[in-house]
Amino acid sequence: QKEVEQNSGPLSVPEGAIASLNCTYSDRGSQSFFWYRQYSGKSPELIMFIYSNGDKEDGRFTAQLNKASQYVSLLIRDSQPSDSATYLCAVNWGVANFGNEKLTFGTGTRLTIIP
Amino acid sequence: DAGVTQSPTHLIKTRGQQVTLRCSPKSGHDTVSWYQQALGQGPQFIFQYYEEEERQRGNFPDRFSGHQFPNYSSELNVNALLLGDSALYLCASSFRDRTNYGYTFGSGTRLTVV
Repeated sequence: QKEVEQNSGPLSVPEGAIASLNCTYSDRGSQSFFWYRQYSGKSPELIMFIYSNGDKEDGRFTAQLNKASQYVSLLIRDSQPSDSATYLCAVNWGVANFGNEKLTFGTGTRLTIIP
Repeated sequence: DAGVTQSPTHLIKTRGQQVTLRCSPKSGHDTVSWYQQALGQGPQFIFQYYEEEERQRGNFPDRFSGHQFPNYSSELNVNALLLGDSALYLCASSFRDRTNYGYTFGSGTRLTVV
């Protein structure tokens, strides 16, 4: 059974601080990894994807991947109240093709930024 | 540029009935994937359509079926509805074999089975 594990939270972080979200996965054959943000009652929105070991930065967001430890994380710097949402980690188990991923999602971590 | 469009937005059905949900992909996208998201859970992959054929399928029973039309739009059909089928159904579109990792999700259809 391929699994993706996330701490469900809630995770509370003061405004301006760094929020750290973590995700582990069960299959070493995983190819690509995604972070989605989902506001309450809305659909998921892609924030970052990563497929190579190391860090990938995009604005205030940094994704970190460690395939040996089967661990992927998302850091949000200078957290804003608008970052309050559920963050979903997703893993593509199949071949690293583009556009035809079959994603397995974690249950999500609920993040609250405290003004 | 229109995003992914799903209809209807909300639906209430009775146990045992059948339902059809519809999805129009983002302009230029040719692949449609369907996900079921129960309350408090992450989305679960149902199936994926490309070139009018089901290409990949998740662990869902045969009561869940789909179709893709020549214009890339798609339908999800669920027969013999169960109370446990109540969920947010998400359609996601993408462009196969292009470097645009990840999907664009539609706003979803909230299905309630009573």
